Amino acid sequence: SAVISQKPSRDICQRGTSLTIQCQVDSQVTMMFWYRQQPGQSLTLIATANQGSEATYESGFVIDKFPISRPNLTFSTLTVSNMSPEDSSIYLCSAIAGVDEQYFGPGTRLTVT
Amino acid sequence: QKEVEQNSGPLSVPEGAIASLNCTYSDRVSQSFFWYRQYSGKSPELIMSIYSNGDKEDGRFTAQLNKASQYVSLLIRDSQPSDSATYLCAVIRFGNEKLTFGTGTRLTIIP
Repeated sequence: SAVISQKPSRDICQRGTSLTIQCQVDSQVTMMFWYRQQPGQSLTLIATANQGSEATYESGFVIDKFPISRPNLTFSTLTVSNMSPEDSSIYLCSAIAGVDEQYFGPGTRLTVT
Repeated sequence: QKEVEQNSGPLSVPEGAIASLNCTYSDRVSQSFFWYRQYSGKSPELIMSIYSNGDKEDGRFTAQLNKASQYVSLLIRDSQPSDSATYLCAVIRFGNEKLTFGTGTRLTIIP
């Protein structure tokens, strides 16, 4: 398994600002992912964070809005840019360990006012 | 048709009984199947993975996979109040590491 930490755990931000979320894994992993989960909803994949290359974004998510960095095999960041109240959500990072088992960090609860 | 479908519930089961959670998937090339448990306000926790047809047991949990019928289920024996949570079914398509989640089933164990 993998132990994943995220910072911050929660934040309240003003409209138009940006927030960078950090994700740290306790071991080297090849694949990391970023998800969003709205209250009462399932998880929606934002992007795959690739080490050494640009992230791969899912339909409906763009790099200008959600820039992602992956400087090494244990760390990634997701920035939520130019925030609006619609960006209020829980943001989760995950990593694959073992065969293809995916483990999640504790999440970052973002509220945009 | 959704790629991964689950009955949203809520599903109520008496303490000590067997809870049965079901999931169907549409993509026949799905190769890996997972069950996650998510407590309210917490992140998903991986509880079972299954890759081949049949049953896989881990403590009180049994995952069952039937690829011909494209369904995967999770049985929880001797249900405890601490099992009350939302259970998410997720699949990985062959050649793709991305998880596709169902909408989750909310399970309540009644003492």
